[in-house]
Amino acid sequence: GQQVMQIPQYQHVQEGEDFTTYCNSSTTLSNIQWYKQRPGGHPVFLIQLVKSGEVKKQKRLTFQFGEAKKNSSLHITATQTTDVGTYFCAGPGSNTGKLIFGQGTTLQVKP
Amino acid sequence: ETGVTQSPTHLIKTRGQQVTLRCSSQSGHNTVSWYQQALGQGPQFIFQYYREEENGRGNFPPRFSGLQFPNYSSELNVNALELDDSALYLCASSLGAKNTEAFFGQGTRLTVV
Repeated sequence: GQQVMQIPQYQHVQEGEDFTTYCNSSTTLSNIQWYKQRPGGHPVFLIQLVKSGEVKKQKRLTFQFGEAKKNSSLHITATQTTDVGTYFCAGPGSNTGKLIFGQGTTLQVKP
Repeated sequence: ETGVTQSPTHLIKTRGQQVTLRCSSQSGHNTVSWYQQALGQGPQFIFQYYREEENGRGNFPPRFSGLQFPNYSSELNVNALELDDSALYLCASSLGAKNTEAFFGQGTRLTVV
C-alpha cells in the first residue's frame, strides 16, 4: 500500500545548528502538508505545498516540494529550544484521499 | 487553540469493554476525521465523516465505528477493546471533504488494561 516515510527518526542538535527532515512518498502526491507536535501535544498544521518544486518559508523554516511531487523537506535554520517536537509530513492517500502521515522526525535541541 | 475539543482527555478501560470518544469540530467545519496515534508513530487514519455520512475509511476493523451529528460534532466508538487499542485518538476538523488544512483537537489518551 501507499507509504510515506521520513528520515531521520530522531535528531539531536545543539542550539543554533541547522536541522533538516526528509519525507518520501511511494506515490505522487497532489499536495503535502507538514505538522508539528510538541511533547504531550497534538499535531499543529504548519504549511501545505501544492506545486511541483514549490519552496515556502516561514521565518527560520523552509519547506520544499520535489519536482516529481514524491518528496519534500523541512529545513530549520539556527534551531532554538522552542523548535523541540516531532515534525510530520502528510499526504493524501491514493485510496481514501485522506491524510497519510509519515512516522515523524523528533527533534531535540540542547541549549 | 484550534477550537476543536475532545472528551474525555484520558480514559482507562478493560479489555473487552466498549468506549465512546467525542469531538466538537471547529465552528463552520463540516468534516471530521479520526486518527489513531500509537506511541512514537504518526497518526493513522481511521475514518472521515462529511455532512453526517462516512466518507472514507482506513484499515481498521468494523468494531471501530462512528457518527456525525447535525451540528457536525462526532463520536468514535470502539467495541471489544483490545490491548493494542491503547493510543492517542485524535479528531481533526476541516472545511470540506477534500484534503484541506486539518485542525486537530488535543486528543483522548485511551489505555486498555
